[in-house]
Amino acid sequence: GNSVTQMEGPVTLSEEAFLTINCTYTATGYPSLFWYVQYPGEGLQLLLKATKADDKGSNKGFEATYRKETTSFHLEKGSVQVSDSAVYFCALSDWANFGNEKLTFGTGTRLTIIP
Amino acid sequence: GAGVSQSPRYKVAKRGQDVALRCDPISGHVSLFWYQQALGQGPEFLTYFQNEAQLDKSGLPSDRFFAERPEGSVSTLKIQRTQQEDSAVYLCASSLGVAGGRTGELFFGEGSRLTVL
Repeated sequence: GNSVTQMEGPVTLSEEAFLTINCTYTATGYPSLFWYVQYPGEGLQLLLKATKADDKGSNKGFEATYRKETTSFHLEKGSVQVSDSAVYFCALSDWANFGNEKLTFGTGTRLTIIP
Repeated sequence: GAGVSQSPRYKVAKRGQDVALRCDPISGHVSLFWYQQALGQGPEFLTYFQNEAQLDKSGLPSDRFFAERPEGSVSTLKIQRTQQEDSAVYLCASSLGVAGGRTGELFFGEGSRLTVL
């Protein structure tokens, strides 16, 4: 079945540091890939997505590239801010196999940025 | 409302009690999902509705879990005879589904945290 493995946390960085959160996936078909973020006290929200191989998703300075050859979708940001402190979830959906948009999530990575 | 609304936000139940958790999706959203999130884990899929039809309930962990969406809008997740292992945050999400071009973007509520004593 489908699964997502992401870098375990927690991750603590200083402001303006470079961020990478690793994510790899296993899927039988050709999934779409997502990063969702959960800020303190809020619900999950979509950060970025990529729907096919070599696509790059980007939003709020974050980027991730859909790498089919390495089955990866690593999240990067060049200079993190305190406001980026949150829990980040990598996820995939496989509409073709499941007939709906249900998401398979990784376990989440808690990111804390220190001023 | 503007977003997905869930109630109650917090529920404490004694083992063996029945609980009901409510989800108000974004108006016009066809697809509705329930997820279970244990502490320190990612959300796990429970069930999916397209309008009022429950098309996928493969993630429901036992027959004590039941979900409905009778009019294709509000949904209720019911857990009968709660057990301690049912303690988790229950998330509801909605989307436009096919009408939205299958973007895969789900809109999540803040969740209902269930604690079973």
